[in-house]
Amino acid sequence: DTEVTQTPKHLVMGMTNKKSLKCEQHMGHRAMYWYKQKAKKPPELMFVYSYEKLSINESVPSRFSPECPNSSLLNLHLHALQPEDSALYLCASSQWVGWGRQETQYFGPGTRLLVL
Amino acid sequence: AQTVTQSQPEMSVQEAETVTLSCTYDTSESDYYLFWYKQPPSRQMILVIRQEAYKQQNATENRFSVNFQKAAKSFSLKISDSQLGDAAMYFCAYRSPPTGANSKLTFGKGITLSVRP
Repeated sequence: DTEVTQTPKHLVMGMTNKKSLKCEQHMGHRAMYWYKQKAKKPPELMFVYSYEKLSINESVPSRFSPECPNSSLLNLHLHALQPEDSALYLCASSQWVGWGRQETQYFGPGTRLLVL
Repeated sequence: AQTVTQSQPEMSVQEAETVTLSCTYDTSESDYYLFWYKQPPSRQMILVIRQEAYKQQNATENRFSVNFQKAAKSFSLKISDSQLGDAAMYFCAYRSPPTGANSKLTFGKGITLSVRP
């Protein structure tokens, strides 16, 4: 089973709202990722968590706040977003972050976010 | 820094025919991983095939195979017996070796493949 689930599927929010995106995997993976993807573009890495600790932050604005409460769950808290933040937000997981042989990233279906 | 280049933005193939999608990359590393991901319109990104750089044998997955030329830094994807369900955006990706706990997936710009019935 290589399933990564994400909720909600769609989200519309105003610039003053606070919302959260949720990602879950039950594959025992110890690395989890957030990506932002604009239409017809490749995903852009935002954050990487390794063993529930933030290991990479790609200079993402502070209005995006990641959280990894446990090894199966990854959240992305959103606050005071801008219209240009509208995009597909993808979560992914892999066995671990390191030079192992189980490093393939498996993606969730994404949350399509619209900021008005 | 590593770069991945997919120079063709769009390609089209007749159903049941074979098509090859090109990808080149630039790296100074000797050990790395390469991937092809498929993303149908408004649907999930899924792994098509992966290749370990230390393996000389080209990876195959059913109708999908790669032509991995390490010296030329080329990694093309061949789709045989194309089906309507193969229509999607295809991304080539490179997995860089980690530095400490850091490891990143570098994507190409992607290629949109359409399949004509």
